[in-house]
Amino acid sequence: SAVISQKPSRDICQRGTSLTIQCQVDSQVTMMFWYRQQPGQSLTLIATANQGSEATYESGFVIDKFPISRPNLTFSTLTVSNMSPEDSSIYLCTHWEPLYGYTFGSGTRLTVV
Amino acid sequence: AQSVTQPDIHITVSEGASLELRCNYSYGATPYLFWYVQSPGQGLQLLLKYFSGDTLVQGIKGFEAEFKRSQSSFNLRKPSVHWSDAAEYFCAQDMRFGAGTRLTVKP
Repeated sequence: SAVISQKPSRDICQRGTSLTIQCQVDSQVTMMFWYRQQPGQSLTLIATANQGSEATYESGFVIDKFPISRPNLTFSTLTVSNMSPEDSSIYLCTHWEPLYGYTFGSGTRLTVV
Repeated sequence: AQSVTQPDIHITVSEGASLELRCNYSYGATPYLFWYVQSPGQGLQLLLKYFSGDTLVQGIKGFEAEFKRSQSSFNLRKPSVHWSDAAEYFCAQDMRFGAGTRLTVKP
């Protein structure tokens, strides 16, 4: 299955600032997804990012807060804007492959202070 | 909307005992079902998946799961638990994850 790399792996940010997380896949994939895992919680889908179209956001998530780019079939970014301590989470990128299902990156552990 | 239910928040078993983690999914014509494991501070690792075909699915680390459409269930099992199995286990249907079950293994 394809391998996903995420950068940064962790960061500590000041409230009110923004952080852009990068997700690189080692092969071309159509559908990529961004998840959030708050401390001690399960994974919540933020949005689906398909190349060539705007991201589709889940209920409770908006583009102004979590803008997503998908410039090509191997790359996507998620920006966490105007951060607050409640945004402290692990953010995970994943994609779908018919034979393997979902493959996850190692995640970005974000702490907002 | 699709939903995944893991009724047990926390389970404790003794090392060497058998294990069953429950998962119920919402209706779907052909659900794609997954079990993932997450050790503390680690990423998600896929244990097994069900797309179609044989309803008993074998995974890594000695885990298996059985798809039961009549019960909308996809329970995870292991005949003999090892201390290293202590972790958080997540069931997922398509893109939706259950709340997770934390497994503690007693010596």
